Amino acid sequence: AQTVTQSQPEMSVQEAETVTLSCTYDTSESNYYLFWYKQPPSRQMILVIRQEAYKQQNATENRFSVNFQKAAKSFSLKISDSQLGDTAMYFCAFFPDGGATNKLIFGTGTLLAVQP
Amino acid sequence: KAGVTQTPRYLIKTRGQQVTLSCSPISGHRSVSWYQQTPGQGLQFLFEYFSETQRNKGNFPGRFSGRQFSNSRSEMNVSTLELGDSALYLCASSSGTGRSGELFFGEGSRLTVL
Repeated sequence: AQTVTQSQPEMSVQEAETVTLSCTYDTSESNYYLFWYKQPPSRQMILVIRQEAYKQQNATENRFSVNFQKAAKSFSLKISDSQLGDTAMYFCAFFPDGGATNKLIFGTGTLLAVQP
Repeated sequence: KAGVTQTPRYLIKTRGQQVTLSCSPISGHRSVSWYQQTPGQGLQFLFEYFSETQRNKGNFPGRFSGRQFSNSRSEMNVSTLELGDSALYLCASSSGTGRSGELFFGEGSRLTVL
């Protein structure tokens, strides 16, 4: 079965500190695309970062970076210098059909609270 | 560039009724996909349309249907509403497939079934 597991339902971090959100997935595809999406309270979901499985280099986007371990099927998100605006639900997701369509499989999410 | 627009934003229906939700994608995007978000089941894929054709479908009963028009706007319909259909319905648009682009989400339509 193609699944995404986020084992941390809630996390809290102090402003300016670093936090890591965990994600594991299961797929039989050899090439696929992994994502972290952010859903702020009552606001729309936006893409945080994207990783293509055939690329060994970990993706980075400003304060956001991933630790992609393909053999372990692990895809964690690190947020550096956390800001109050980072408070949101974070979803890990991937395309189960290698990106042939836009069907995304999502994890259950991690609610991140950034404390002042 | 305008984002993905979903209407209505909020609606309340009673069991047995039907509902139609609308999604206007970003200009130039030909793919529209729909997701259901609930506290219990999380985010689940409903279906995707590309150039007026259903390209993929999730594991939902036939009461859930959709379509896409020539201008790429999409509608989804739920007939014979059940209490469990209460959810946030999200629409996402893309210029192509997952290989070539990202999904842009709307703010959602929150459906409450009484």
